[in-house]
Amino acid sequence: DQQVKQNSPSLSVQEGRISILNCDYTNSMFDYFLWYKKYPAEGPTFLISISSIKDKNEDGRFTVFLNKSAKHLSLHIVPSQPGDSAVYFCAASDNNDMRFGAGTRLTVKP
Amino acid sequence: NAGVMQNPRHLVRRRGQEARLRCSPMKGHSHVYWYRQLPEEGLKFMVYLQKENIIDESGMPKERFSAEFPKEGPSILRIQQVVRGDSAAYFCASSPPIQGDEQFFGPGTRLTVL
Repeated sequence: DQQVKQNSPSLSVQEGRISILNCDYTNSMFDYFLWYKKYPAEGPTFLISISSIKDKNEDGRFTVFLNKSAKHLSLHIVPSQPGDSAVYFCAASDNNDMRFGAGTRLTVKP
Repeated sequence: NAGVMQNPRHLVRRRGQEARLRCSPMKGHSHVYWYRQLPEEGLKFMVYLQKENIIDESGMPKERFSAEFPKEGPSILRIQQVVRGDSAAYFCASSPPIQGDEQFFGPGTRLTVL
């Protein structure tokens, strides 16, 4: 059962534009959400997170939005840079469980 | 279509015992990755396996840790003589034979070493 879904396997944007990566979840018990970034041949590294008591968390060029009623979160990167090209995984957790999406490959073109 | 399965979900071991973590990839997937998540840290890559082959074990500790993915059956991550520092969540992920970027993660095994 895929409790966390990233429906877009890939996304391509122009340098300087906004990248929006989406993630949907089904389990309403999830109360903490994370985005990981993965370069080839490396493990995913933590990027940004948000607690369910918030609907927005911002860190530099990265902003995560959480819509609890829609069970949807998104990661916005603005402005996008070529170095942002990577695979992005979203994850959701409660006290006992962490579940991952399958990833979205972002390509930022110069 | 069942997702990636890991068992047990929770495993408690005393120092010096062995821990065996199992990962059954999604149907049709022939690539398996193991990651370790330590408290307050991100996921650390450990090992990448295809059926009967270890492709990349650059993230595996040199001692006590081993992994296999036999022709039949699940992938096994084995930790011998566990120590308290091995306590972590261990995630496996699988991907299909034609390598893309998608990795489908299992729910993880939480290992606690007493």
